[in-house]
Amino acid sequence: AQSVAQPEDQVNVAEGNPLTVKCTYSVSGNPYLFWYVQYPNRGLQFLLKYITGDNLVKGSYGFEAEFNKSQTSFHLKKPSALVSDSALYFCAVRDEGRGFKTIFGAGTRLFVKA
Amino acid sequence: DAGVIQSPRHEVTEMGQEVTLRCKPISGHDYLFWYRQTMMRGLELLIYFNNNVPIDDSGMPEDRFSAKMPNASFSTLKIQPSEPRDSAVYFCASRRTGGGQYFGPGTRLLVL
Repeated sequence: AQSVAQPEDQVNVAEGNPLTVKCTYSVSGNPYLFWYVQYPNRGLQFLLKYITGDNLVKGSYGFEAEFNKSQTSFHLKKPSALVSDSALYFCAVRDEGRGFKTIFGAGTRLFVKA
Repeated sequence: DAGVIQSPRHEVTEMGQEVTLRCKPISGHDYLFWYRQTMMRGLELLIYFNNNVPIDDSGMPEDRFSAKMPNASFSTLKIQPSEPRDSAVYFCASRRTGGGQYFGPGTRLLVL
């Protein structure tokens, strides 16, 4: 069965510092991996995805994520955090070979202090 | 593109009433999903469709919940009768095969 874990409920970082939001996954086949962001009172917004190819994926708003097959991880990163990055971040995984359901993590709340 | 459109944005109703939530997916997307989000349970997948056909409704809480997708551009989620514990934000999302999901703004439901 496929699953995804976000080990941190909350991440705090100072503006201008690099940020990392962690995600690990489990699938039987080849994973499709996604990151979404949710701002207050809004729906989730797609940030980036990994399907195949380069392990470093670049997405919206300066975010990137690194796929690590041996560690089954897909951590979200940004070199320099902004206060406006404060939001709820969801990692998601889909085992494209075993159905079409995407499994979402519980979410990690990111606080960026000025 | 206008994105995924949901209506109403807010709904307040009394216990026992019927509630109908509506969704228009992005044109060309062949998958449609209904989610529910609460503080206690996070984001839950209720049901999803592929090419208008329900594929997996195992997340639907109980028989009071039903969903339809009569055509590629419209879906409804109905709760009858509604209960206070159904209060949540309900999201509709759509995607193409192989792509990421695009979420609507959500319907905030409060059942009194």
